[in-house]
Amino acid sequence: EDQVTQSPEALRLQEGESSSLNCSYTVSGLRGLFWYRQDPGKGPEFLFTLYSAGEEKEKERLKATLTKKESFLHITAPKPEDSATYLCAVGDSNYQLIWGAGTKLIIKP
Amino acid sequence: NAGVTQTPKFQVLKTGQSMTLQCAQDMNHNSMYWYRQDPGMGLRLIYYSASEGTTDKGEVPNGYNVSRLNKREFSLRLESAAPSQTSVYFCASSPVTGTANYGYTFGSGTRLTVV
Repeated sequence: EDQVTQSPEALRLQEGESSSLNCSYTVSGLRGLFWYRQDPGKGPEFLFTLYSAGEEKEKERLKATLTKKESFLHITAPKPEDSATYLCAVGDSNYQLIWGAGTKLIIKP
Repeated sequence: NAGVTQTPKFQVLKTGQSMTLQCAQDMNHNSMYWYRQDPGMGLRLIYYSASEGTTDKGEVPNGYNVSRLNKREFSLRLESAAPSQTSVYFCASSPVTGTANYGYTFGSGTRLTVV
């Protein structure tokens, strides 16, 4: 069964304290791995797409990496405005997205 | 601003009542989607429309119907609401069906409570 698991469920960091979020997946015929950011009361906002193992994408303080079984979202020197829920999704062989439950990130000033 | 607009933002229904959630996008996207988001779970696809004139079931279609009114608009109808349909509903759109570098654009959601 195709599935996506994100860990941890919640992560509290001090401003400037770097860390990583994990997204592990099992899917037959991966058609991309996607990271989204979701702020309270809003819809998810697209961040990155990764297609093959070894690929990396960066945006400001965020860097996403991909292996054959998992992806990491690295957050370097985070700021309070990086606080949000980060969602991971994978595209399956039918080109539909399977979503993880998300990691709630809280950055304390 | 260009994007996906959903109405209403909040709604409370009594069990058995019906309602329609509206969604419109102004990005000339071909594909549109309806998801529900429940605490502790990933987004689940209810229905999608790959292009104008077509609709298909997603993972959790029971209790819902959809209409792709035109290229811009995609509505979701609950014919007889049940407490299990209490959720946050998101509409999304993309240039083409499936996965791509540009991702999906989501609306801000409708928070529905069925009592």
